[in-house]
Amino acid sequence: GESVGLHLPTLSVQEGDNSIINCAYSNSASDYFIWYKQESGKGPQFIIDIRSNMDKRQGQRVTVLLNKTVKHLSLQIAATQPGDSAVYFCAEDDQAGTALIFGKGTTLSVSS
Amino acid sequence: DAGVIQSPRHEVTEMGQEVTLRCKPISGHNSLFWYRQTMMRGLELLIYFNNNVPIDDSGMPEDRFSAKMPNASFSTLKIQPSEPRDSAVYFCASSFAKDNRPQHFGDGTRLSIL
Repeated sequence: GESVGLHLPTLSVQEGDNSIINCAYSNSASDYFIWYKQESGKGPQFIIDIRSNMDKRQGQRVTVLLNKTVKHLSLQIAATQPGDSAVYFCAEDDQAGTALIFGKGTTLSVSS
Repeated sequence: DAGVIQSPRHEVTEMGQEVTLRCKPISGHNSLFWYRQTMMRGLELLIYFNNNVPIDDSGMPEDRFSAKMPNASFSTLKIQPSEPRDSAVYFCASSFAKDNRPQHFGDGTRLSIL
């Protein structure tokens, strides 16, 4: 069946370090992937997305990498700040191509 | 710009009561999604609408759950009767794209059924 998972449920880093959050997906037919950030008491906030015809996309301090060969997705955050502390979710579109399936999330903790 | 607006933010009620959650999507968005989030199951899609029409309600857990979208700017999710296992955070999201990407979320309704 379809599933989107993460390698680690928690990640702790020091302020200023680079963070890498990983995600594995199972549906080789998925053609769209997205990362969300969720802070306590708030809804998921869109960070960055990528389509399957790309293997890398950069935003402000964030980079998403897609490896379709091993069905792996990662989010890189440069110069991590305390405000980056949150739960990060990856998601993929489902086989119908009209809805997203979310992973369980990775909690990023940034210490000063 | 106003984002997705949900109300109430918190709801505490006794089991057996009817619960109605409300959502106002971002103006101009043509797709609306209802999700439920729990620690055990994460984010689960309950139902979504395109142009006010329900497209997929396979995620709705039971007949006690129903959702409507009477117009492009309003949707409700109703639970009747409510049960303690319905306690969760319910999110509404909307999008405007041919393929419903990306979705923008509201801040959710935290529902507690006693």
